[in-house]
Amino acid sequence: KNEVEQSPQNLTAQEGEFITINCSYSVGISALHWLQQHPGGGIVSLFMLSSGKKKHGRLIATINIQEKHSSLHITASHPRDSAVYICAVEVKTSYDKVIFGPGTSLSVIP
Amino acid sequence: DVKVTQSSRYLVKRTGEKVFLECVQDMDHENMFWYRQDPGLGLRLIYFSYDVKMKEKGDIPEGYSVSREKKERFSLILESASTNQTSMYLCASSFPPGRSVSNQPQHFGDGTRLSIL
Repeated sequence: KNEVEQSPQNLTAQEGEFITINCSYSVGISALHWLQQHPGGGIVSLFMLSSGKKKHGRLIATINIQEKHSSLHITASHPRDSAVYICAVEVKTSYDKVIFGPGTSLSVIP
Repeated sequence: DVKVTQSSRYLVKRTGEKVFLECVQDMDHENMFWYRQDPGLGLRLIYFSYDVKMKEKGDIPEGYSVSREKKERFSLILESASTNQTSMYLCASSFPPGRSVSNQPQHFGDGTRLSIL
């Protein structure tokens, strides 16, 4: 069983739809990150969470530490949101060990 | 802005060749990492380095080696390339725990898509 799991693996949505991507993890963490990877490879950070909820534009991320679960929501989705969304958790060790989820591939159709 | 630069975006090599992937970062980060990314498996850590000339095995080191002669440069070496090493390779760098000044766990390069024929 992977230590970080995401669902769904693939998602196709119509422009304007509300989208939810889920992440669950089985290890103790110091922080959780949501990352975005566009075609071409580069990975950028969207959110870092250790509790509660964060909002940036049309993106909202929540985390429930007790349930070891996080969600990424996209409101009013747009074709430029098409990307792979990766959940990653930081685990406290002697270095900043990061465990990555398998990613969710999102395609938003006009 | 942090810049992590990988030497090639696309690379095609033949089975048995020795392959070098280069990564350079300009933020004076102590930690550097090499990952491979495969569909459905996510990013898997091959090797990492927390200082010059220091290296540690990650989760899938077999068939790979690394070199870190200078702080800013971390090289991944495929000693004898095989077809199962066809993948996207991503380099990343970061400060040690507690010294990060950004919300990003690691800063990534754009990746090298390597095909072994």
